[in-house]
Amino acid sequence: AIQVTQSPSSLSAAVGDSVTITCRASQGIYSALAWYQQKPGMAPRLLIFDASSLQSGVPSRFSGSGSGTQFSLTISGLQPEDVATYFCQQTYSMSVTFGGGTKVEI
Amino acid sequence: QVRLEESGPGLVKPSETLSLTCTVSGYAITSGFYWGWIRQPPGRGLEWIVTMYHSGTTFYNPSLKSRVTMSVDTSKNQLSLKLDSLTGADTAVYYCARQGPVPQTYYFDQWGLGSLVSVSS
Repeated sequence: AIQVTQSPSSLSAAVGDSVTITCRASQGIYSALAWYQQKPGMAPRLLIFDASSLQSGVPSRFSGSGSGTQFSLTISGLQPEDVATYFCQQTYSMSVTFGGGTKVEI
Repeated sequence: QVRLEESGPGLVKPSETLSLTCTVSGYAITSGFYWGWIRQPPGRGLEWIVTMYHSGTTFYNPSLKSRVTMSVDTSKNQLSLKLDSLTGADTAVYYCARQGPVPQTYYFDQWGLGSLVSVSS
């Protein structure tokens, strides 16, 4: 199975900061990566697919980049409502795997 | 608007079988997407369990395959999940979700609210 390693496991930043979360795949997966946001007590919400395509309704301060084995999610101008845990998922193989998550705090 | 809603027992005894149902509204489960189950132990990450197409094509997490059965009822627009031989490690929130049908689209774009299942005697 394709392993997906996410870092850091947690971070703290100020309102307005830019924060970046990274995800590394154990083999090349082209741009087959998605990012999710999960707030406490809620289901995950799809933010980005195809590594950099923004899901409908997601604020433009969220952006994704990368291909092959290295990917990143950037929040440009962190807002209080962005406090959540973020997960990446490789979408290359049907044997789906998720990163371990990054908890973002303010 | 697509809506998914899980329903299940809440508490199950060790060694027994978990049965969950996911009712989909606003979208026919025969309309071209895959449908999956994902779980999340308390305070931990996401683990994919199984994915199914309405035709019967099924994909399993190898680590759970021997204990998992997924089915669809197209007449009721429902999915179901059965997980055998439960232990405390199966305590988790169980989500059903809609999944893209081809490589690169295997992301989950619609999720249910989740159903907390506790395994305890």
